[in-house]
Amino acid sequence: AQKITQTQPGMFVQEKEAVTLDCTYDTSDQSYGLFWYKQPSSGEMIFLIYQGSYDEQNATEGRYSLNFQKARKSANLVISASQLGDSAMYFCAMREGPQGSQGNLIFGKGTKLSVKP
Amino acid sequence: DTEVTQTPKHLVMGMTNKKSLKCEQHMGHRAMYWYKQKAKKPPELMFVYSYEKLSINESVPSRFSPECPNSSLLNLHLHALQPEDSALYLCASSHRQTSNQPQHFGDGTRLSIL
Repeated sequence: AQKITQTQPGMFVQEKEAVTLDCTYDTSDQSYGLFWYKQPSSGEMIFLIYQGSYDEQNATEGRYSLNFQKARKSANLVISASQLGDSAMYFCAMREGPQGSQGNLIFGKGTKLSVKP
Repeated sequence: DTEVTQTPKHLVMGMTNKKSLKCEQHMGHRAMYWYKQKAKKPPELMFVYSYEKLSINESVPSRFSPECPNSSLLNLHLHALQPEDSALYLCASSHRQTSNQPQHFGDGTRLSIL
């Protein structure tokens, strides 16, 4: 069965520093997609970054980058130059099903990031 | 502002009431989703619509009734809910159910059952 593990329930980071949020996954599929979402206390789920299993380069989107280590089945999110507005819950998710046949997301339990001024 | 619009943002209802949650997107997406999220937990998938047809029902109780009137709209009809149904209800859409494109979420409806 496919599974996402986020081992850090909560993390603190100083403003302007970089932080890494861990995510490991388990799947027997060769084709899969990995996503990171941010959820502020207001509730909306904001898509941050995507990594495909066949992508050779690590994904980057502005201050967000994904450290993808396929052999280790890890997809850690790196946030550079943290800002106070980065304080939120962060979810790692994987698209379910062989060849994306289901297309549904499996979520990890999330990591609550707090940025200190 | 999100491109998926959910109304209302907050809803308080009694256990005998009937209400509906509404979700709208104009991104041309053909897959739409309903999730339920309890506090400090990840979202749990409830229903998936693909090309306006119900594709997945994750064994959701019949007091929740989804409806997809057209490719842009998704409703969730609520009737005789229980206090444990109090949660954040999130709607999402994606290009297609099986694509690598991300799901885009709305702001959610915070539902409280009295």
